[in-house]
Amino acid sequence: GAGVSQSPSNKVTEKGKDVELRCDPISGHTALYWYRQSLGQGLEFLIYFQGNSAPDKSGLPSDRFSAERTGGSVSTLTIQRTQQEDSAVYLCASSRNTNPGHKGFEQYFGPGTRLTVT
Amino acid sequence: EDQVTQSPEALRLQEGESSSLNCSYTVSGLRGLFWYRQDPGKGPEFLFTLYSAGEEKEKERLKATLTKKESFLHITAPKPEDSATYLCAVRYFSGGYNKLIFGAGTRLAVHP
Repeated sequence: GAGVSQSPSNKVTEKGKDVELRCDPISGHTALYWYRQSLGQGLEFLIYFQGNSAPDKSGLPSDRFSAERTGGSVSTLTIQRTQQEDSAVYLCASSRNTNPGHKGFEQYFGPGTRLTVT
Repeated sequence: EDQVTQSPEALRLQEGESSSLNCSYTVSGLRGLFWYRQDPGKGPEFLFTLYSAGEEKEKERLKATLTKKESFLHITAPKPEDSATYLCAVRYFSGGYNKLIFGAGTRLAVHP
């Protein structure tokens, strides 16, 4: 079946511009996550959505970052007034649920969006 | 401090030379440990979930094990196509919230 998709695959933007990154999760997955991965670094958690619950925004690095999830499916990560340090690969993942110890928590990742801020 | 540490950072093996990757964690309230494989330019690919000490999972040349403080990913007779970065992640309960931390990964290179 279809996996997690992300668009665009690459985005080059000028410092100070706003960007929107899109994620389409696997159909039927209730949980959606955004991560950031800088070159040679591990995954940095940004935000996650679970069904209709309030999202966990604890990983967002600044108020320039925000995310929405419409209709419990597609999500958009928005970065306002981009800075050079925002350059990274932004990864989206989805899972069937987030209940601890329950099956189906494993996350399935999209291919990522490589963001370059010049 | 809650932490996940992977070692070594990089590992070079000859084809057929078995070895192990380590993922140690210092969290309490473990709710699951996950192994992923990541190829260059791609998102991580799920491999295994382990939930309790003593649990083992196998897939082809890979075997994951879990103790109360660490997990090992054993690679038996690796092939060049096993070259990738291997990530582990730990799910735990803290302060009333479920949290997930990824390690920095081990870059594995298998040479013919």
